Amino acid sequence: RKEVEQDPGPFNVPEGATVAFNCTYSNSASQSFFWYRQDCRKEPKLLMSVYSSGNEDGRFTAQLNRASQYISLLIRDSKLSDSATYLCVVNRGGGFKTIFGAGTRLFVKA
Amino acid sequence: DVKVTQSSRYLVKRTGEKVFLECVQDMDHENMFWYRQDPGLGLRLIYFSYDVKMKEKGDIPEGYSVSREKKERFSLILESASTNQTSMYLCASSWGTSGVSSYEQYFGPGTRLTVT
Repeated sequence: RKEVEQDPGPFNVPEGATVAFNCTYSNSASQSFFWYRQDCRKEPKLLMSVYSSGNEDGRFTAQLNRASQYISLLIRDSKLSDSATYLCVVNRGGGFKTIFGAGTRLFVKA
Repeated sequence: DVKVTQSSRYLVKRTGEKVFLECVQDMDHENMFWYRQDPGLGLRLIYFSYDVKMKEKGDIPEGYSVSREKKERFSLILESASTNQTSMYLCASSWGTSGVSSYEQYFGPGTRLTVT
């Protein structure tokens, strides 16, 4: 079993749709969680950190469920510019090593 | 803005050559990382460094070594390049003090290495 697992997609959604991605992790000692975005042929960029209480940044909401060991990302009112691969990232508890999921591909269509 | 630069965007080397990939960050970050990214496998950690002259193996260190002589610079070395090391190589850095923000990584643009 992979340490961090994501549905690879692709998710094809129309503009304005709401879409949600889940990511599961296997190490219960993991402390920090993030979502990164990677555009085609570009480097990953931090989208948002995921806090225990959940957090929101504009149209994006991240949630953490420690009991079930998953994090989620909700995108509301999807834009064409949201088309990208979304990477779930988990640190190996207590250190600086981070594990990246393989990513979920999102296509937003007009 | 944090800036992480890598010495080359594209590199073509022959099997058996020694290859140096350079990474420089300008934000006084403590931690630096080298990853490779392959289709379907995502990013895999090769090595990381949490201080000058300090390094730790990641998940796939075989065939690679690293050097960090100065805080801002982290080099990845392929001692004898092989075709299975053809990949996109990404360097990243993070603050590395404490708290969630210390784990937030900033990436360079990547080096696409082809070994023939």
